[in-house]
Amino acid sequence: GAVVSQHPSWVICKSGTSVKIECRSLDFQATTMFWYRQFPKQSLMLMATSNEGSKATYEQGVEKDKFLINHASLTLSTLTVTSAHPEDSSFYICSATALAGGHEQYFGPGTRLTVT
Amino acid sequence: GENVEQHPSTLSVQEGDSAVIKCTYSDSASNYFPWYKQELGKRPQLIIDIRSNVGEKKDQRIAVTLNKTAKHFSLHITETQPEDSAVYFCAASLNRDDKIIFGKGTRLHILP
Repeated sequence: GAVVSQHPSWVICKSGTSVKIECRSLDFQATTMFWYRQFPKQSLMLMATSNEGSKATYEQGVEKDKFLINHASLTLSTLTVTSAHPEDSSFYICSATALAGGHEQYFGPGTRLTVT
Repeated sequence: GENVEQHPSTLSVQEGDSAVIKCTYSDSASNYFPWYKQELGKRPQLIIDIRSNVGEKKDQRIAVTLNKTAKHFSLHITETQPEDSAVYFCAASLNRDDKIIFGKGTRLHILP
């Protein structure tokens, strides 16, 4: 099946710094990638929809200047958490859907971010 | 926007018994309803899905039913096994490749 990777798998950063998370589709071209965050023992909350070559569409309540999303190619989307604070500590998961429409979304393994 | 409600939040069943998880959705335009299993610290795994033109779908011990008129859908797991213990999420989407809105999840415990 299709494979989506994320890097890093976990990261610890200091409050006030920025951290970048990469999401890659390894064996298919992804028209669209989605970013979710998941707090402990909670559900996945959609943050934004990312289309290659265009600006991301953010869900209500998600600060676009804090969570910068770049989808520069059909196989890579990045999420940058700027000026991170402890409340940004969470599990960030991306998903990707293939260039040909109507296909299953494939989830990455997630990135655990801890802000100290 | 779409809102997905899921019940119960926790479910304990004896090994071998059946488990049922129920969900409702709010947006009548939703056409695709996947179910995911997530183990601690892992990515969600698609276990079964159903489209709005189908009322029921079965895959071995897992079945999903959909009542589009009432806007609710359910997951049924029969002959439960210890490895079925996990968190299960229902979800709704316009299409298979569209954004997915998740329910809050059900923590399923299979008791020996």
